[in-house]
Amino acid sequence: EDQVTQSPEALRLQEGESSSLNCSYTVSGLRGLFWYRQDPGKGPEFLFTLYSAGEEKEKERLKATLTKKESFLHITAPKPEDSATYLCAVTTSGTYKYIFGTGTRLKVLA
Amino acid sequence: EPEVTQTPSHQVTQMGQEVILRCVPISNHLYFYWYRQILGQKVEFLVSFYNNEISEKSEIFDDQFSVERPDGSNFTLKIRSTKLEDSAMYFCARDRGDTDTQYFGPGTRLTVL
Repeated sequence: EDQVTQSPEALRLQEGESSSLNCSYTVSGLRGLFWYRQDPGKGPEFLFTLYSAGEEKEKERLKATLTKKESFLHITAPKPEDSATYLCAVTTSGTYKYIFGTGTRLKVLA
Repeated sequence: EPEVTQTPSHQVTQMGQEVILRCVPISNHLYFYWYRQILGQKVEFLVSFYNNEISEKSEIFDDQFSVERPDGSNFTLKIRSTKLEDSAMYFCARDRGDTDTQYFGPGTRLTVL
């Protein structure tokens, strides 16, 4: 069964304290891996799409990387406004549906 | 990327009642999706819709659910006889078809009493 696991479940950082979030996946034929940010009561907001191992994408303080088994979302010098739940999702060959992980709740303290 | 609009933002209904959730996507998008998120849980796929037909559905999407694009613009999710466990956020998503990236609407919070 296709599965996406995110860790840690929750993370508290001081402002400026860099860290990484993990998304590991067990799927038959990865077609794409996606990172989203979700604020409470709102819809997921698109951050990155990764397609192949070794690929990296950056946006402001965020950098996403992909290997054959997992993806990392690196947060450099986070600010309080980076506080949110970060979601990882995958699509597999032959389907367009997303399979989501449970997310990492990030809290950045000033 | 422009967002989709979803209405209503919050719907409260009695168990056994029918509800219709609406999504207004950008007209040049071909692929539409419905997901749900029960409070505190992960986002779950319900159904995908392409060219006015269901292209894929999950085991959650049973006979009490249906989707339509009745007027060529709005995209609706109908739940025929709501249950308490249908209480959740329901998200509409769309993509252009030339990428796999999906863009989500703000969601409709459904509360079944």
